[in-house]
Amino acid sequence: QLQLQESGPGLVKPSETLSLTCTVSGGSISSSSYYWGWIRQPPGKGLEWIGSIYYSGSTYYNPSLKSRVTISVDTSKNQFSLKLSSVTAADTAVYYCARHSPVTIAPLGYFDLWGRGTLVTVSS
Amino acid sequence: SYELTQPPSVSVSPGQTARITCSGDALPKQYAYWYQQKPGQAPVLVIYKDSERPSGIPERFSGSSSGTTVTLTISGVQAEDEADYYCQSADSSGTVFGGGTKLTVL
Repeated sequence: QLQLQESGPGLVKPSETLSLTCTVSGGSISSSSYYWGWIRQPPGKGLEWIGSIYYSGSTYYNPSLKSRVTISVDTSKNQFSLKLSSVTAADTAVYYCARHSPVTIAPLGYFDLWGRGTLVTVSS
Repeated sequence: SYELTQPPSVSVSPGQTARITCSGDALPKQYAYWYQQKPGQAPVLVIYKDSERPSGIPERFSGSSSGTTVTLTISGVQAEDEADYYCQSADSSGTVFGGGTKLTVL
C-alpha cells in the first residue's frame, strides 16, 4: 500500500529557506501515471496548493509562490522535495505532500493519497 | 489559476441534508473535487470528477454540477460528518482550492 511521509525541520528562521522531503513507500515515484504535489495549511486556515512535479522533473507552481518555490524529484531515493526561500511568519503552516490523480484522468487533478503533514513554524 | 468560492459555514441537524456550494468561472469546463478534513487529520477525497465517489466513501455523499457552481450534498447527515469541506479544481497550469466550509451538525 503506497504511503507518503513528510520530513524536515519543524522550525525555520525568518528569511531562511524551508526544506522538506516527501518519501514515497510501497510504490514507485517513477510511475508515469502520476504527478506529486505539495499543499500547505496555515493554522486555522484553508488549504493552499504550492506546486507539483512529474517524475521527469516537469513542474507546475502556484503563481503566488512561484518566485520562492523549487520542487525537485530524486527517483533513486523515491523522494520529492520542496524548498521555499525567504520565509516569513506567514509561511508557518502544516505542509502536506500528496499524489495527484492519474494523468489519464486529470494531470493536476485531485489528490488521492496524502501524507500526514508536518508543522513548520517560522520564528527566530 | 482562478478562484473558487465557498460559504464559510453550513449548519444542519442530524438526519437532514447538507448542501455545500463551490463557485468558479472555470467550473463549466473543469472537473471539481471535494475533500473532508477533520481536526488534526489530512484531507480525505470524498467526490471526484464532479460526482464520482471513491471506494469506501458512504453513499450519503454525492456531488453535482450546474454552470459555474458545484454542490456537495450529504444526505442523512450524521454527527461524524462534522468537518471542514474543501472543493478543488484544476486547469492546464495548476490547481486551486476553495476557502473551505465548516459543516456543523447541530
